Amino acid sequence: SYVLTQPPSVSVAPGETARITCGGNNIGSKSVHWYQQKPGQAPVLVISYDSDRPSGIPDRFSGSNSGNTATLTISRVEAGDEADYCCQVWDVTSDLQAVFGGGTKLTVL
Amino acid sequence: EAQLSESGGGLVQPGGSLRLSCAASGFTFSSYAMTWVRRAPGKGLEWVSTISGSGASTYYADAVKGRFTISRDNSKNTLYLQMTGLRAEDTAVYYCAKDGAVGDGYSDFDYWGQGTLVTVSS
Repeated sequence: SYVLTQPPSVSVAPGETARITCGGNNIGSKSVHWYQQKPGQAPVLVISYDSDRPSGIPDRFSGSNSGNTATLTISRVEAGDEADYCCQVWDVTSDLQAVFGGGTKLTVL
Repeated sequence: EAQLSESGGGLVQPGGSLRLSCAASGFTFSSYAMTWVRRAPGKGLEWVSTISGSGASTYYADAVKGRFTISRDNSKNTLYLQMTGLRAEDTAVYYCAKDGAVGDGYSDFDYWGQGTLVTVSS
């Protein structure tokens, strides 16, 4: 089955840029979606189809996807960005299934 | 705007059964695939099951295949997850999520419910 690998944690100071990676075999050939989840809350879609921002998501959030790595970039990080971030793709190699990365805890120092 | 609301969670003994419901509003329910996703304590998000808009196609994670059944009632705008043979490792918050595009899946999950907690313990 398809595996997505994320770093368990990323730490940045306010105002800096956070980059969260999502690794997978030839992930560049798939569409990657990113979700933000804060404690006790439902996940929120922050980036879809590699780099599209849903309505209401600040333009500080951006995404890219190439080769074996997709990246979520959060510019000018704010305290309110502290959350878990998770990437997701669809795998259709055997049967349709959604695959989530293990998630990355973003800590704002 | 779409809204999703789960119910039916609770405490159940190992081997027991539970049925989760997800009431949907604010969109044409039958036009969208729907998905159940769970998050166990201390773990990340885990896909559980997806059903097409018509209900004709269903997909399951290997961890729940043969034990869980996803279904929907488009006349009631409601999604279900029948869970049997529950195990301690099924303990999690279960979320329902709406597909982001009309069709049978393969899109993002653009709306999520608040989740319902399922605890499997004796």
